[in-house]
Amino acid sequence: KNQVEQSPQSLIILEGKNCTLQCNYTVSPFSNLRWYKQDTGRGPVSLTIMTFSENTKSNGRYTATLDADTKQSSLHITASQLSDSASYICVVSGNSLSGGSYIPTFGRGTSLIVHP
Amino acid sequence: EAQVTQNPRYLITVTGKKLTVTCSQNMNHEYMSWYRQDPGLGLRQIYYSMNVEVTDKGDVPEGYKVSRKEKRNFPLILESPSPNQTSLYFCASSINRVLSSPLHFGNGTRLTVT
Repeated sequence: KNQVEQSPQSLIILEGKNCTLQCNYTVSPFSNLRWYKQDTGRGPVSLTIMTFSENTKSNGRYTATLDADTKQSSLHITASQLSDSASYICVVSGNSLSGGSYIPTFGRGTSLIVHP
Repeated sequence: EAQVTQNPRYLITVTGKKLTVTCSQNMNHEYMSWYRQDPGLGLRQIYYSMNVEVTDKGDVPEGYKVSRKEKRNFPLILESPSPNQTSLYFCASSINRVLSSPLHFGNGTRLTVT
């Protein structure tokens, strides 16, 4: 069964500090992995997409990494701001061409709180 | 503005009273889907649609119905709501089923069934 596990479940950091969120998946065959940010009371918004051939991708202060061999991804947030307080969700899509499912598998998210 | 619009944002109803949550997108997307989000469980897919008149079950379809008569609309129907369907619901759309483009989410519908 396809699964996406995220850690930690929750994280509290001080403004200005860095942090790293983890995502492990068992989805196979793999198509892509996205990180979404969900502010309280809003729908998730895509931050970045990682495909099989990509190792690192940055979007401002957000940097995502992917190790397709170990099926792990991380999201690193640099110089955190109060507005980074949100839930971060890892979503992995499969590849239907090889008999897999393109239906996305969602992680349960990491809740990040940034304190002043 | 490109967006996914859900209505209503908040809904309180009683057990057994049929209800419909509407979802509309203005991006000409083929793929649309519904999710429920519960504390500690994350987002779980209820139903999805790859195009007009093409729908399929997600992970938690029991107690829900959908229809896709037009490309832009994908309503979620609860024929006989029960308290365990109290949840936060999200509709989302994407260019196609391969999801090489991101899912665009609506702002959610918070449903309470008493």
